[in-house]
Amino acid sequence: SQQGEEDPQALSIQEGENATMNCSYKTSINNLQWYRQNSGRGLVHLILIRSNEREKHSGRLRVTLDTSKKSSSLLITASRAADTASYFCATDAATGNQFYFGTGTSLTVIP
Amino acid sequence: EPEVTQTPSHQVTQMGQEVILRCVPISNHLYFYWYRQILGQKVEFLVSFYNNEISEKSEIFDDQFSVERPDGSNFTLKIRSTKLEDSAMYFCARTGTRRNTGELFFGEGSRLTVL
Repeated sequence: SQQGEEDPQALSIQEGENATMNCSYKTSINNLQWYRQNSGRGLVHLILIRSNEREKHSGRLRVTLDTSKKSSSLLITASRAADTASYFCATDAATGNQFYFGTGTSLTVIP
Repeated sequence: EPEVTQTPSHQVTQMGQEVILRCVPISNHLYFYWYRQILGQKVEFLVSFYNNEISEKSEIFDDQFSVERPDGSNFTLKIRSTKLEDSAMYFCARTGTRRNTGELFFGEGSRLTVL
């Protein structure tokens, strides 16, 4: 299965701290994406990193990709209470047209 | 502005009944997906739909499920003879005409409760 696995499963931090979530996957990919999901809501795309990129920034988000280790990390800097949500990584296989989601990291930012 | 609108937002049904979930994309994109998420669990791929045909489907997407685009706009997921374990959030998503270069835009989901 291509499905990613995020860790940790749950993370609780104080407002202002940085949050780091990791994602590992199994097979070759075209790109890797991170999504956010507030409780009971749909998934919202955050950032996409292509297989030939190593790092990407978007506002307070920083994503890294290590294709040799088949892993990615999402760093949220200067976290806010509003960042509380579940975060999922998603990969698309080099072949086929599925997007595979991981199990998610539940982030709680304490004000 | 939502990229994808899903209806109903919540449906309660009796076991064995048929359910139709609807998805209306705002833009006329070619690739559509259905995913499901059992409460608190992972987001699971069900099926992808391209150019009015099923492109790929998962092991979950058995004969109980079907997808259609009956009027060229609405995109429906039909679940026949629902089971208790079909209770989940069902998400429709779309991407652009070049799948591998775009992100997925999700609807807010339809919550299905099977009693």
